[in-house]
Amino acid sequence: QKEVEQNSGPLSVPEGAIASLNCTYSDRGSQSFFWYRQYSGKSPELIMFIYSNGDKEDGRFTAQLNKASQYVSLLIRDSQPSDSATYLCAVRRAGGTSYGKLTFGQGTILTVHP
Amino acid sequence: ETGVTQSPTHLIKTRGQQVTLRCSSQSGHNTVSWYQQALGQGPQFIFQYYREEENGRGNFPPRFSGLQFPNYSSELNVNALELDDSALYLCASSFGQGKRAGELFFGEGSRLTVL
Repeated sequence: QKEVEQNSGPLSVPEGAIASLNCTYSDRGSQSFFWYRQYSGKSPELIMFIYSNGDKEDGRFTAQLNKASQYVSLLIRDSQPSDSATYLCAVRRAGGTSYGKLTFGQGTILTVHP
Repeated sequence: ETGVTQSPTHLIKTRGQQVTLRCSSQSGHNTVSWYQQALGQGPQFIFQYYREEENGRGNFPPRFSGLQFPNYSSELNVNALELDDSALYLCASSFGQGKRAGELFFGEGSRLTVL
């Protein structure tokens, strides 16, 4: 079992729709959860982070965390063609000294078509 | 832009050669992490440097090594290159300790091709 699993997609949604991206993780010691967006040929950029159970909203983005189910999701409302990218889910384990060590999923390719 | 710069952006090497990749951190960040991203995969953690010392390492052999300098810039060295080392190498800087440690700011990467 992979430590962080995502559906690789591609996920295709029409412009204006809600895109739902899902991620599960296996390590119950995971403390922090991140969503990175990566455009083709570019490096990942952080778009959301969540540390507590529940929802966290930032503009058109909502991150949802359910630690009991070991599940993280990202909702993108009013999807735009510019949202077309690979979305990477990443988790960080609690404790330890490897502060910058994230475990990434393989990413979900999202395509928003006009 | 994140303020993290990497060089070179692209390079081609042959099997058995050695390579050095460089990274300048974002101002104020004291932690540098290096990741390898193969095509179609998520980034994989290589190692991290904090206060000039390696303090975490992923599942990579010793031929992957690094340095962090007093100005927080960093190098990744790979010896005895293998074909499977072909990948995008990403440097990321962060604030270090605490929850925000996972908020990584990536450079644009160095794409290494091993022939």
